[in-house]
Amino acid sequence: KQEVTQIPAALSVPEGENLVLNCSFTDSAIYNLQWFRQDPGKGLTSLLLIQSSQREQTSGRLNASLDKSSGRSTLYIAASQPGDSATYLCAGSMDSNYQLIWGAGTKLIIKP
Amino acid sequence: DAGITQSPRHKVTETGTPVTLRCHQTENHRYMYWYRQDPGHGLRLIHYSYGVKDTDKGEVSDGYSVSRSKTEDFLLTLESATSSQTSVYFCAISESKGTPSSGANVLTFGAGSRLTVL
Repeated sequence: KQEVTQIPAALSVPEGENLVLNCSFTDSAIYNLQWFRQDPGKGLTSLLLIQSSQREQTSGRLNASLDKSSGRSTLYIAASQPGDSATYLCAGSMDSNYQLIWGAGTKLIIKP
Repeated sequence: DAGITQSPRHKVTETGTPVTLRCHQTENHRYMYWYRQDPGHGLRLIHYSYGVKDTDKGEVSDGYSVSRSKTEDFLLTLESATSSQTSVYFCAISESKGTPSSGANVLTFGAGSRLTVL
């Protein structure tokens, strides 16, 4: 059974630091992968989508990469800001259907 | 959460009572999903729909049923609620990104419905 681990479970850093969040799949045969952000009491917002033919995606200060040989993805956040504080979740699909396997998330706190 | 509305946003009920959660979209998207989110777990798919009257089970479908009689509405029903169904329920819709063969879909989520079963 495919499982997803996100490390660390929680992270607190000072404003301005660059940081990396990790996502690891037990089965490396990942078809595509998405990173989401969840604010307290809110729904999830899609941040980046890495499609089956891609290896990374960038949006502003965010960069996500996927290493299909190892089943690992990283989300890089540059020059972190207090507004980046949220829980970040990764989710992957194993084929072209629409079902995602989710990590439990990393709770990120950026201290002013 | 533009385009997706979940109701009710909060509900407290007693064990054994039926509960229906509603998801309404204005985006005319084909795919709709119901997830539950529990502490320490990622989101888990309950049921999903790929068209009017077309639904399928997800990872944790036992104790839940769904219906989709119109494109815009996807209902989740707990026929007889149990305490283990206390959770936050999220509805999501998907639009296609990339080629159809890539199977890539960006999910848009509702704000969630917090259900407490006493």
